[in-house]
Amino acid sequence: DTEVTQTPKHLVMGMTNKKSLKCEQHMGHRAMYWYKQKAKKPPELMFVYSYEKLSINESVPSRFSPECPNSSLLNLHLHALQPEDSALYLCASSRKKGTSGASSYNEQFFGPGTRLTVL
Amino acid sequence: AQTVTQSQPEMSVQEAETVTLSCTYDTSESDYYLFWYKQPPSRQMILVIRQEAYKQQNATENRFSVNFQKAAKSFSLKISDSQLGDAAMYFCAYRSRQGGSEKLVFGKGTKLTVNP
Repeated sequence: DTEVTQTPKHLVMGMTNKKSLKCEQHMGHRAMYWYKQKAKKPPELMFVYSYEKLSINESVPSRFSPECPNSSLLNLHLHALQPEDSALYLCASSRKKGTSGASSYNEQFFGPGTRLTVL
Repeated sequence: AQTVTQSQPEMSVQEAETVTLSCTYDTSESDYYLFWYKQPPSRQMILVIRQEAYKQQNATENRFSVNFQKAAKSFSLKISDSQLGDAAMYFCAYRSRQGGSEKLVFGKGTKLTVNP
């Protein structure tokens, strides 16, 4: 299995709803990432998990709550979102290399994304 | 902080021709990785090619190759024998280290159109 899967593909939610995005990989990758991408813009990093521990939070509002229950699964819990949070949410993962050097991880593999619309 | 600049918002190429996409970056690190990612209309980000800064040889992957000029901090992507399926947004990315983790810093992207 050499892919990152994301569910759902599309999500429409109201500002008072609570929903979750799910990301899964079975490649043995130990780093997982959430990105937010607005139309015609590059992805913006939100969170990084390394060995199931949150290692980077790019000052993301608390209405986004990440969770990494195990090494294969990454969730993003959404609550009280705003219309400006509508975007494509991308998940990625990367493998930790066995040796030290310029980088501890290989390249990131991306999932197909969840297109989120907040009404 | 590292920055990545793609100065060409849009490019077009005729099918079967060659096109070069530009990317420059700014960093104080001596060892790092650079990537080109492709994002077609389906929106899935696909890795096209990567370059390790400590390697002098330019990376190649079939029809895709890079011209890596470390001193000039330039990392251009050449697509040979362009195909209709190459039409996409192309992002240049620099891998930055932050603490014990790593993050990608993306350029703003270049939209490539392939004309039949």
